Amino acid sequence: AQSVTQLGSHVSVSEGALVLLRCNYSSSVPPYLFWYVQYPNQGLQLLLKYTTGATLVKGINGFEAEFKKSETSFHLTKPSAHMSDAAEYFCAVSRPAGTALIFGKGTTLSVSS
Amino acid sequence: DGGITQSPKYLFRKEGQNVTLSCEQNLNHDAMYWYRQDPGQGLRLIYYSQIVNDFQKGDIAEGYSVSREKKESFPLTVTSAQKNPTAFYLCASKESQGAHEQYFGPGTRLTVT
Repeated sequence: AQSVTQLGSHVSVSEGALVLLRCNYSSSVPPYLFWYVQYPNQGLQLLLKYTTGATLVKGINGFEAEFKKSETSFHLTKPSAHMSDAAEYFCAVSRPAGTALIFGKGTTLSVSS
Repeated sequence: DGGITQSPKYLFRKEGQNVTLSCEQNLNHDAMYWYRQDPGQGLRLIYYSQIVNDFQKGDIAEGYSVSREKKESFPLTVTSAQKNPTAFYLCASKESQGAHEQYFGPGTRLTVT
């Protein structure tokens, strides 16, 4: 069965510092993986996705993620945090047959000046 | 502008009352989804529909009902049988079975007292 684990419910960084949000997945089939961002009281916005092909995926707002099959990981990174990056981030894996997504519990990113 | 609309943004009801949350999309997407979000629990799938006049239960369907009479609409009814209805409800859509990424509406925050 598919599952997603996000390590760390809360991550705090300083403005300009590296952002690293961790996601590990479990999947019985080749996974499709996603990162979404949610600002308070809003819906989710797709940051990036991995389906097939290149394992380093670039997304919006300077974020990128690397699919590592051997580590069953899909960590999200950004070289330099900005105050506007403060939000909740969700990692998700597609269920078999693409019927729905399974989400991790989320990581809240705080950015301090 | 193409997108997903959910109304209302905030909804208040008394315990024992049924309430219907609206979700409309003009993206011409085939599949639509309802998720429930509670703090620290990520998103949990309530119901989904891959085609008009067909829908399936998700992981937490008890106390909820849906209909899919039109491609663009997927209303969710929270019945009085739902034990803890207070939550943030998110509607999403997906282009087709070949696609995997979902696009989300802005959400409805339901408070039942």
